[in-house]
Amino acid sequence: KAGVTQTPRYLIKTRGQQVTLSCSPISGHRSVSWYQQTPGQGLQFLFEYFSETQRNKGNFPGRFSGRQFSNSRSEMNVSTLELGDSALYLCASSSDSGYTFGSGTRLTVV
Amino acid sequence: AQSVTQLGSHVSVSEGALVLLRCNYSSSVPPYLFWYVQYPNQGLQLLLKYTSAATLVKGINGFEAEFKKSETSFHLTKPSAHMSDAAEYFCAVTRSNFGNEKLTFGTGTRLTIIP
Repeated sequence: KAGVTQTPRYLIKTRGQQVTLSCSPISGHRSVSWYQQTPGQGLQFLFEYFSETQRNKGNFPGRFSGRQFSNSRSEMNVSTLELGDSALYLCASSSDSGYTFGSGTRLTVV
Repeated sequence: AQSVTQLGSHVSVSEGALVLLRCNYSSSVPPYLFWYVQYPNQGLQLLLKYTSAATLVKGINGFEAEFKKSETSFHLTKPSAHMSDAAEYFCAVTRSNFGNEKLTFGTGTRLTIIP
């Protein structure tokens, strides 16, 4: 059974640009959530999608957005990148057996 | 609101010694509790989870944790540390095991194993 796949693994962007990250959940999992991990703030919840609908949202500015497709794959987008957006972005796929995380996308903003 | 406190941002133990990583939680509803491990440049790997079925939970790699409601604790232990246990460990709490509630994480404990 394939795990949670996040692409790309590493990304370098320039301040002011936008970026899109992708997450493919475990087959059959309909819930996908996103977390940001930084040394200063730790692991923080961004948002969660279920059946193409955003069910929960964390306390992040509107520059952070996401969506989910009919096959449960999810993307998150960050517009107008700031240096502080440099982080490891983790995606979690969920079912009634809990939460499984991908390997993350390491975003560096320069 | 839910929260998790991990006591000790860094813990060092000798190889073969007992590993004890502390986690205390705060929750207004019966919690679901998790321990995850993170190796450098990797995602989070689930070690074990408490979902109210049993208070002593056994996980992978010889780890276990005991849910103590009276102490609001969910400490992680391993009888004998191995060099491969060196990593960062996160305790997390949520209100549901079905993915419809966010995980709230502690700040993490970095475990170092001394040869």
